[in-house]
Amino acid sequence: DAGITQSPRHKVTETGTPVTLRCHQTENHRYMYWYRQDPGHGLRLIHYSYGVKDTDKGEVSDGYSVSRSKTEDFLLTLESATSSQTSVYFCASGQALNSPLHFGNGTRLTVT
Amino acid sequence: DQQVKQNSPSLSVQEGRISILNCDYTNSMFDYFLWYKKYPAEGPTFLISISSIKDKNEDGRFTVFLNKSAKHLSLHIVPSQPGDSAVYFCAASDYGGATNKLIFGTGTLLAVQP
Repeated sequence: DAGITQSPRHKVTETGTPVTLRCHQTENHRYMYWYRQDPGHGLRLIHYSYGVKDTDKGEVSDGYSVSRSKTEDFLLTLESATSSQTSVYFCASGQALNSPLHFGNGTRLTVT
Repeated sequence: DQQVKQNSPSLSVQEGRISILNCDYTNSMFDYFLWYKKYPAEGPTFLISISSIKDKNEDGRFTVFLNKSAKHLSLHIVPSQPGDSAVYFCAASDYGGATNKLIFGTGTLLAVQP
């Protein structure tokens, strides 16, 4: 396994507060991704990174920002959380752009 | 509009029998397809993939079939085991499997009864 850890595993926050989710991988994978999983939608890509300080938007990037200051760490920030961002968030990594993804165990975020 | 569809939210199969999970897609440009398996409270794990130049790929008990004319792929698990009980996601990409272009289906919950 890719050794991906996400923190926290669960979080409850109030509307309008900033939230940062953390992803740490120990496999030296170049590519990292943030997905959200919602009923009826499967997994949708929020943002991804193709190297340190190199990031790009995914399908559902509005309201989210990311940062990657080190190969092993990829942060997802909700600047001002909304109830529509209540979801399960998964981080993933891959060695190459067409390598199968290795996922973390997810963060369940509830915005009240 | 959902480009990758898994129309069966759930499937129940007896242990030892065949499980067939189906996936339909609408984008004829998709050229690489994958299946992921997900247990509760865990992240998805890669199971098997197939390129559009093939119509079948096999790995142990798992076989994926691709019917490009019908825009349909299926995952066969033979024989099914209770440990196969999980949610199965199919995914597709139109850039040779580029993961930043992957589109996931909504998943099918497989329950294998002992």
